[in-house]
Amino acid sequence: DAKTTQPPSMDCAEGRAANLPCNHSTISGNEYVYWYRQIHSQGPQYIIHGLKNNETNEMASLIITEDRKSSTLILPHATLRDTAVYYCIVSNYGGSQGNLIFGKGTKLSVKP
Amino acid sequence: KAGVTQTPRYLIKTRGQQVTLSCSPISGHRSVSWYQQTPGQGLQFLFEYFSETQRNKGNFPGRFSGRQFSNSRSEMNVSTLELGDSALYLCASSPLQGSSYEQYFGPGTRLTVT
Repeated sequence: DAKTTQPPSMDCAEGRAANLPCNHSTISGNEYVYWYRQIHSQGPQYIIHGLKNNETNEMASLIITEDRKSSTLILPHATLRDTAVYYCIVSNYGGSQGNLIFGKGTKLSVKP
Repeated sequence: KAGVTQTPRYLIKTRGQQVTLSCSPISGHRSVSWYQQTPGQGLQFLFEYFSETQRNKGNFPGRFSGRQFSNSRSEMNVSTLELGDSALYLCASSPLQGSSYEQYFGPGTRLTVT
């Protein structure tokens, strides 16, 4: 079973920041938080990952709470092309389990 | 670099038949994982191959099998197809074994079993 809880859907206005929350209260010390997204009819796309520090790349920012029990993915200026299902996943980094356990994710709809 | 490629993109088979799907990972990537995606169950891990050896396996029946070649290309096979095997089959590659970070997914093969 997925170790994360995400809202099933969210709306965001184009050009505004999209803040996608994720709860992972049972995360263990060696587990990272990963975010992927899946645009309709495509394979999932890696966005970002982090352990305990906030992370930023060209796609998004990841904010992890100090107790690591929750995180937020931030798309700073959402566009219509960001409409997708966003998956928050916790997993060992480079551990023996090379698989990702996907939950149901959050369907983000960016509206004009 | 070229991305992960999967062939064929679409496939229609009949119950009881078998099917083989192919995946070519990103050049230099040695780990290939397979996932099944259905509307009811979502994305589920099938298995992972690294250096021609299956390293991890999900909770699927033995009708689902795979292999990896020396050039890291991978195939998965489903025998005795059932209607419930209709799904999008996704392949993902990454540079290292067990690297659940930054897996790069292909576009998938849409399998329809009638």
